[in-house]
Amino acid sequence: DVKVTQSSRYLVKRTGEKVFLECVQDMDHENMFWYRQDPGLGLRLIYFSYDVKMKEKGDIPEGYSVSREKKERFSLILESASTNQTSMYLCASSFVEGFLGQYFGPGTRLTVT
Amino acid sequence: GQQVMQIPQYQHVQEGEDFTTYCNSSTTLSNIQWYKQRPGGHPVFLIQLVKSGEVKKQKRLTFQFGEAKKNSSLHITATQTTDVGTYFCAGRIYNQGGKLIFGQGTELSVKP
Repeated sequence: DVKVTQSSRYLVKRTGEKVFLECVQDMDHENMFWYRQDPGLGLRLIYFSYDVKMKEKGDIPEGYSVSREKKERFSLILESASTNQTSMYLCASSFVEGFLGQYFGPGTRLTVT
Repeated sequence: GQQVMQIPQYQHVQEGEDFTTYCNSSTTLSNIQWYKQRPGGHPVFLIQLVKSGEVKKQKRLTFQFGEAKKNSSLHITATQTTDVGTYFCAGRIYNQGGKLIFGQGTELSVKP
């Protein structure tokens, strides 16, 4: 059974803190993605990676960075959390070729106070 | 930038009624995917359409991809309470790898 796991379901952080969100997939997927989901806005792509140590900016990268040191792990970093980064964060992964459907993790609900 | 618009944002139906959600892209897509997110859950892949004019069915769900590969629809016949959730379309742009552009989603509620 395919699996994408995220380090926390719920997280509460203070403004200015550095926040790490971790994502691990066990399907040997090349692609990994970070989205944020807000009501009425759908899923917006923050960053994605198509290989180890490779990263591409998505539609809303400001205030975020990412790290991919191993194929199975993709980390999202909020350098200095702000209240407008309160959101649901979803990680996903997929193959580069063939079936391109994305598998999502359960999400992390981040609240920045 | 490239956008995928999805309407309606919300749809409330009586159980047994039909439901349709529509997606429209500002650019030609290489394929379109549909996902379902149950309340409190995460998006789950339903189907992928690749060919111009393609129609696919999954039991009571019918998916269409427009001739110009810029629009798509999902139609549910005779809704059931198990259909409740948010349905997202997601378009893949040519030469952009596995990146998808998601529509805003349509939240479906079904009254028994």
